[in-house]
Amino acid sequence: DAGITQSPRYKITETGRQVTLMCHQTWSHSYMFWYRQDLGHGLRLIYYSAAADITDKGEVPDGYVVSRSKTENFPLTLESATRSQTSVYFCASKISGNTIYFGEGSWLTVV
Amino acid sequence: LAKTTQPISMDSYEGQEVNITCSHNNIATNDYITWYQQFPSQGPRFIIQGYKTKVTNEVASLFIPADRKSSTLSLPRVSLSDTAVYYCLVGDMSGNTPLVFGKGTRLSVIA
Repeated sequence: DAGITQSPRYKITETGRQVTLMCHQTWSHSYMFWYRQDLGHGLRLIYYSAAADITDKGEVPDGYVVSRSKTENFPLTLESATRSQTSVYFCASKISGNTIYFGEGSWLTVV
Repeated sequence: LAKTTQPISMDSYEGQEVNITCSHNNIATNDYITWYQQFPSQGPRFIIQGYKTKVTNEVASLFIPADRKSSTLSLPRVSLSDTAVYYCLVGDMSGNTPLVFGKGTRLSVIA
């Protein structure tokens, strides 16, 4: 289902550039999350948000910035991209509880 | 946050029942146990959730012993399409606990 969409789906950028990954959900879910998944590894939580204007750090927040000015949007910014941030980024949302809905992912390569 | 431990990988032949066990020794009283499935190049999707004893749906069964320090995801008669990574998570239903994914269990189904 297309309730949560990510853009761009694929991005190549250079080291040191700023990159913003967009996430939009149409369900009005309170909670939103950003995870990264490196090749062959599990998901690691970068940042999460319980509501508009409320954000918290996850497991690996360094090098990333988030904002949540509107409930439906949760952009993730890499202020100065590094090669170690090459990864697949998944945005997710939920109303409450433990049922999370994931987007299709954004593949980011930093060269 | 309750930490979970799962086997890194498992292999199974088509048609067999597969049981994946997750250890969560420090699970809290209010925590539920949730399992997700992730296919390559896709975000994880919810499979099943439970608090105690047994839960069954059209996809899987979840067995939780009385002490709740572990849980077992059971997939009946697996097919090649069940090849995926399976994640076990614990968290309370309030939604205040950010959901942290471990490395999951990579299930390979062989013909």
